[in-house]
Amino acid sequence: SQQGEEDPQALSIQEGENATMNCSYKTSINNLQWYRQNSGRGLVHLILIRSNEREKHSGRLRVTLDTSKKSSSLLITASRAADTASYFCATDPQGAQKLVFGQGTRLTINP
Amino acid sequence: GAGVSQSPSNKVTEKGKDVELRCDPISGHTALYWYRQSLGQGLEFLIYFQGNSAPDKSGLPSDRFSAERTGGSVSTLTIQRTQQEDSAVYLCASSPDGAFAQPQHFGDGTRLSIL
Repeated sequence: SQQGEEDPQALSIQEGENATMNCSYKTSINNLQWYRQNSGRGLVHLILIRSNEREKHSGRLRVTLDTSKKSSSLLITASRAADTASYFCATDPQGAQKLVFGQGTRLTINP
Repeated sequence: GAGVSQSPSNKVTEKGKDVELRCDPISGHTALYWYRQSLGQGLEFLIYFQGNSAPDKSGLPSDRFSAERTGGSVSTLTIQRTQQEDSAVYLCASSPDGAFAQPQHFGDGTRLSIL
């Protein structure tokens, strides 16, 4: 089964609003990454947070990591139509030697 | 610089035929990964190459799937005797080395359709 599970599966909001996506995972990890995928394209790396970090920012993105709850959240502030995409979390489970991706959250920003 | 390049971008073939998918990683990247993405789903790990080490083939779904990486650069994923359930987008990614605390750089994938 997938290590990471995103919630919600789909999210539709108005431009300018904030979007929050969550990721839960099952085993201890070394780090967690978030990726974006536009329709018909490959994945683009957004941000990486290490297991000893609790929060990280990059532009309009804010990622949190709670290792005690085995969960992470991605917040996109002041959303834009161009943020419409699928967002995936990927974990690097300890000892697994691979990235394990979740099922993704499909985000739609309505103009 | 150039990103990860995959070819063909689309492939339609009949059930039972063999297909070859190609991946050109970013120059200098020693790690290369293949994933499969079914419609509306996440990524399923297939195989991982790192330098001259033996590849991690643990994700290959059956012995009809194989991959090679020549000269530590270009990689080819081969699917023999294709089945309809092989229909998916096949994504390739590379990273500077095999450390998983690094971003992976993805190509745009090959969309494979088996009739």
